Amino acid sequence: NAGVTQTPKFQVLKTGQSMTLQCAQDMNHNSMYWYRQDPGMGLRLIYYSASEGTTDKGEVPNGYNVSRLNKREFSLRLESAAPSQTSVYFCASTHKVSNYGYTFGSGTRLTVV
Amino acid sequence: QKEVEQNSGPLSVPEGAIASLNCTYSDRGSQSFFWYRQYSGKSPELIMFIYSNGDKEDGRFTAQLNKASQYVSLLIRDSQPSDSATYLCAVNLLGGATNKLIFGTGTLLAVQP
Repeated sequence: NAGVTQTPKFQVLKTGQSMTLQCAQDMNHNSMYWYRQDPGMGLRLIYYSASEGTTDKGEVPNGYNVSRLNKREFSLRLESAAPSQTSVYFCASTHKVSNYGYTFGSGTRLTVV
Repeated sequence: QKEVEQNSGPLSVPEGAIASLNCTYSDRGSQSFFWYRQYSGKSPELIMFIYSNGDKEDGRFTAQLNKASQYVSLLIRDSQPSDSATYLCAVNLLGGATNKLIFGTGTLLAVQP
């Protein structure tokens, strides 16, 4: 099915370990985003990429890095995981025009112990 | 003050009733407004967007926008138990060439059979 594909769906890390969350879209969207969702906090923007070759910080970028590998793929890396990064992570994409909403991936549930 | 505010609920309505979900936003220059539905454990899915003052109807859903009052609402007519979910309001902030959405924390809707 067309859309946004995230891998993995679930992950448990030990404090200090690193990992990369993968995201790919096949809708020819220009812009891609990483959000985290925590109870009572809503969706908070970590990083985004307005177009291929550009990335920018969002509201909560500390502890994360991103790579826009090509137009389809946008990855999120945790270099040294901390328990505070336990969350559900969503990747999303859209056309650049402001009147279009996002299409979200199915999410990655990450637990850091 | 949060940029996008919603009552967390739960909002409980009987089956067949009208559910009214409300959202206020702080950035007067905001241009586009979105409603997402999120079932427990799932990713958000776009159900409506609106960018002009007034009402926009799509099936059982009506979005209402009042930019002067910085207020956007979602009405769900003939509510069904399958409408039970968290509804997220999102606002596209002015000032970027990119489509960057700020989300509220969501309102939990419970439709009682």
